[in-house]
Amino acid sequence: NAGVTQTPKFQVLKTGQSMTLQCAQDMNHEYMSWYRQDPGMGLRLIHYSVGAGITDQGEVPNGYNVSRSTTEDFPLRLLSAAPSQTSVYFCATRGRTLAKNIQYFGAGTRLSVL
Amino acid sequence: GESVGLHLPTLSVQEGDNSIINCAYSNSASDYFIWYKQESGKGPQFIIDIRSNMDKRQGQRVTVLLNKTVKHLSLQIAATQPGDSAVYFCAETIGEYGNKLVFGAGTILRVKS
Repeated sequence: NAGVTQTPKFQVLKTGQSMTLQCAQDMNHEYMSWYRQDPGMGLRLIHYSVGAGITDQGEVPNGYNVSRSTTEDFPLRLLSAAPSQTSVYFCATRGRTLAKNIQYFGAGTRLSVL
Repeated sequence: GESVGLHLPTLSVQEGDNSIINCAYSNSASDYFIWYKQESGKGPQFIIDIRSNMDKRQGQRVTVLLNKTVKHLSLQIAATQPGDSAVYFCAETIGEYGNKLVFGAGTILRVKS
């Protein structure tokens, strides 16, 4: 049982390049989300999904796209990377039971945009 | 939430002492308040949550206190251990069904042996 798996762990991009950060979960959780964490700050919500085919914007959605075609996967796309998107990105999932506040986070993807 | 700056507050405690980590929140309509622990190089890990209609909840070695009058949340860790060293974040749920989490900036806890 891997939980929440994020790939890659590290990535360096040049300004203007595009890439997709992958997030996969094997807990059959309906809710998935993406956060970014900048130095000395808490996590900020980028996008989230309450189920396959449903996505919505969080606090800082600009410059990012998401889709949710399956329960297991929730990729985050950077269409044209900018230095301001240098950050650590975390994917998280949670279920809909009484423990619905327990979000399970992946280990993160460290992204540098030059 | 607005950033409180690049320098996180740090709490240094002696091993075996009790720790109290504080957090101020902004949204009076939040249903749940949650504490997360983040160790270096890892994602945040759930510690404990409290519903907005409660003022205290206890877990194993941890207690969360909620004061809605002054919008203040605290996490108490009993008999702090070296493994408790981490960054601690408070978070509040907002939006429909509490689908959005807003995190505070975090507090660094350092445990001295």
